Amino acid sequence: QSALTQPASVSGSPGQSITISCTGTNSDVGSSNLVSWYQQHPGKAPKLMIYEVSKRPSGVSNRFSGSKSGNTASLTISGLQAEDEADYYCCSYAGFSTPFVFGTGTKVTVL
Amino acid sequence: QITLKESGPTLVKPTQTLTLTCTFSGFSLSTSGVGVGWIRQPPGKALEWLALIYWDDDERYSPSLKSRLTITKDTSKNQVVLTMTNMDPVDTATYYCAHRPYGSSWHHWGQGILVTVSS
Repeated sequence: QSALTQPASVSGSPGQSITISCTGTNSDVGSSNLVSWYQQHPGKAPKLMIYEVSKRPSGVSNRFSGSKSGNTASLTISGLQAEDEADYYCCSYAGFSTPFVFGTGTKVTVL
Repeated sequence: QITLKESGPTLVKPTQTLTLTCTFSGFSLSTSGVGVGWIRQPPGKALEWLALIYWDDDERYSPSLKSRLTITKDTSKNQVVLTMTNMDPVDTATYYCAHRPYGSSWHHWGQGILVTVSS
């Protein structure tokens, strides 16, 4: 099972919107709505930001939204803030035997 | 409040077996649908899922590491244990345990434990 493909880096200015893509295959991203996104600040544990493609856990800002089309999922951060600067990882269901596969990770820089 | 915490050795020698314990609170691993798993992250690299154990003792492993991993649970102690055999320097990483209440997402994470493999 190969890692899902994400851009290495994405940047934007404060207040702008950015979108991070997560590309997989028919066997993972394209097979279900079980895609999640995690934010990780340096030296910290990952934090769940989006699950089941577009659901936000309690406490997560509505500036974060998720979507999916075919084999590609996306995370959009609107109204970019300095605190959003972090690494972001997608994760997808990949079948009965391999229920999780992570993405390659994207570093978000706020200019 | 759900919390998880990893414990175990921070330094192991090549070829040794690593045993990590995840102690959690705020949920029960006997509740239908619940799972606890392990994810690791080598320094400067991406997250990698390792293993998952479900409330009903069903186990899942990363195909690339399946032969080296064993995950078990002790529901009475609220603990999940991961063993990884034949450790190698490339296994140097921060190891996280995490809570999967349902579906395929990790809703709560431990702080992680950095394990270094070196002679």
